[in-house]
Parts: sequence; structure tokens; C-alpha cells
Amino acid sequence: GAVVSQHPSWVICKSGTSVKIECRSLDFQATTMFWYRQFPKQSLMLMATSNEGSKATYEQGVEKDKFLINHASLTLSTLTVTSAHPEDSSFYICSARHPTSTDTQYFGPGTRLTVL
Amino acid sequence: QQQVKQSPQSLIVQKGGISIINCAYENTAFDYFPWYQQFPGKGPALLIAIRPDVSEKKEGRFTISFNKSAKQFSLHIMDSQPGDSATYFCAASRGGTGNQFYFGTGTSLTVIP
Repeated sequence: GAVVSQHPSWVICKSGTSVKIECRSLDFQATTMFWYRQFPKQSLMLMATSNEGSKATYEQGVEKDKFLINHASLTLSTLTVTSAHPEDSSFYICSARHPTSTDTQYFGPGTRLTVL
Repeated sequence: QQQVKQSPQSLIVQKGGISIINCAYENTAFDYFPWYQQFPGKGPALLIAIRPDVSEKKEGRFTISFNKSAKQFSLHIMDSQPGDSATYFCAASRGGTGNQFYFGTGTSLTVIP
């Protein structure tokens, strides 16, 4: 149990285009999901907390108009990188809280974004 | 400010040896301390977690030792295997839905045959 998937696993796009990344909890409902960004050989940096049915809470320094988060259902949260630029290239990982073990976050496999 | 400090940054251990990774925190409100294992190009996977009401938790070859007074906790990997070679992250959080994790900086473990 507690499986989280992400789609796509990798994406290459041109500068100026928008990219949508999906995060799904496959076998449980998650009222709270998190989006992280990870640079090579570095730790996970929390970008935002996504709550089902309400606006996401963004961490300081994260542009909410650039990184659009939607948590429309209890099993799906999406991150859209708008007008992507090469500096947005990174590994994006989502996580979800399990309803019965609310302290634990289960992570997706990550999405590698490369902006040319 | 780094809420959770992790050391060492990298670790090389012989097969069969014990790998020890240490973390320290400052915020006494933290009450949940998980360890995650991450392989290259993959998301972190929960390994083991502990709460402050116990000083040690063991699951298979993995043990967490927790020292509440020192605000430190560590991961011990017994009988380390080459397949354990990965990056390990400790984290801390306050209990409850929506509370974020504060991650350590990670430890790259290499187990040599």
C-alpha cells in the first residue's frame, strides 16, 4: 500500500513552453500533498503544500504564478511549470500523506524536467 | 537556517560492516523522525521512523537510535550490503496533517564488496 505515482517520469521541453506534472496516490486518498525540487546531489527543497479543494501554500521564494499547483481531487495533484526556462530544469518530486498515518509522507518516483 | 543537520556527507563501508549516519535538530517541537533511502533518479522511500517516546527502533538490519536530551538521532545499518549503496536522508517534523518535513542534507553511502 501507499503507492504514489508521477507522470511523466521525464520531459524535455523548449524554453517558454509550459509543462504539467501529475502526482497520484494510487491506493489511498490524500488530503495533503507536497511538491519538492531536488538539484543533483542535494537535499529536497519544499516548494509548496497542496491541500485538496483549497489553494496551495507556497514556500518563501517560490513563485506561485510560475509553479501552478492544483489539487482537484483526493488522489491527484498537478504542478504546472509555466513559461519554463533552462534554470527550471530539475528533478521534481511529489509526496502524499497517508490518511491513517498522517505523520508519514510517501514519495513519488520523481519527474526529470529538462528545459532547452 | 538548516533545521536538521546531517553527517557525514559521504560514507564508505566494507560489505558486512556497520554504517552509521547522524542527525541533530534544534526544534524541540519536532516529534516525528523518519529516514528515507533514495537511489539515483528515484524518489525517496521511507525506511524507518521513530517518535521521541522511544530511544531505539529496529526493523531488520536498520536501527534508529534516538537521544531526546541531546536532540540527536542516528541510523545504523548492520551487515551493510552493496545494495544498500544509496543516499540517505533524515527528516523531522511536528505531528499532524499538513506539517512539513525538514530534511537533512543527505549522506551518500557506498558499500564496497
